[in-house]
Amino acid sequence: SYVLTQPPSVSVAPGQTARITCGGNNIGSRSVHWYQQKPGQVPVLVVYDDTDRPSGIPERFSGSNSGNTATLTISRVEAGDEADYYCQVWDTSVDHPVFGGGTKLTVL
Amino acid sequence: EVQLVESGGGLVQPGGSLRLSCAASGFTFSSYWMSWVRQAPGKGLEWVANIKQDGSQKYYVDSVRGRFTISRDNAKNSLYLQMNSLRADDTAVYYCARRSGSWSHSWFDPWGQGTLVTVSS
Repeated sequence: SYVLTQPPSVSVAPGQTARITCGGNNIGSRSVHWYQQKPGQVPVLVVYDDTDRPSGIPERFSGSNSGNTATLTISRVEAGDEADYYCQVWDTSVDHPVFGGGTKLTVL
Repeated sequence: EVQLVESGGGLVQPGGSLRLSCAASGFTFSSYWMSWVRQAPGKGLEWVANIKQDGSQKYYVDSVRGRFTISRDNAKNSLYLQMNSLRADDTAVYYCARRSGSWSHSWFDPWGQGTLVTVSS
């Protein structure tokens, strides 16, 4: 089955740029989606189809996907961005989703 | 407003059963695949089951196949998860989620608030 690999943690200072990666075999050929989950809260979609943002998500959140790595980029990081972030693709061979293990973003 | 509200969680003994419900509102429920996703304490997200719009296709993660049954009632805008032969490793928050997008470009939005299932003696 398809596997997505995320770093367990990423740390960044306020105002800097955070980059959270999601690795997978030829992931660039797939559509990647990203969720933000703050402590004690429900996952929220922040990027879908590699680069699109749902309404209400700040432009500071952006995505890219190429080769074997997809990346969620958060510009001008704020304390409120501290959360767990999960990438997800749909494995069409078995018709079910695959989630990455999640990355904890810490704002220093 | 698009909304999903789960109910039915609780404490159950190993080997017991529980039925989760998810009430949908604010969208045409019968037009969407629906899913259950769970999250064990301190762990990541794990997909559990999918069901097609008319209920004719269902998929399960290997660890629950044969024990859990996903179903829906489009007339009641409701999704269900019947969980039998529960084990300690089924302990998790269970989320109801709408599958959005199209086939290979599918994501989950929105998610319900989740319901906690605890399997313990």
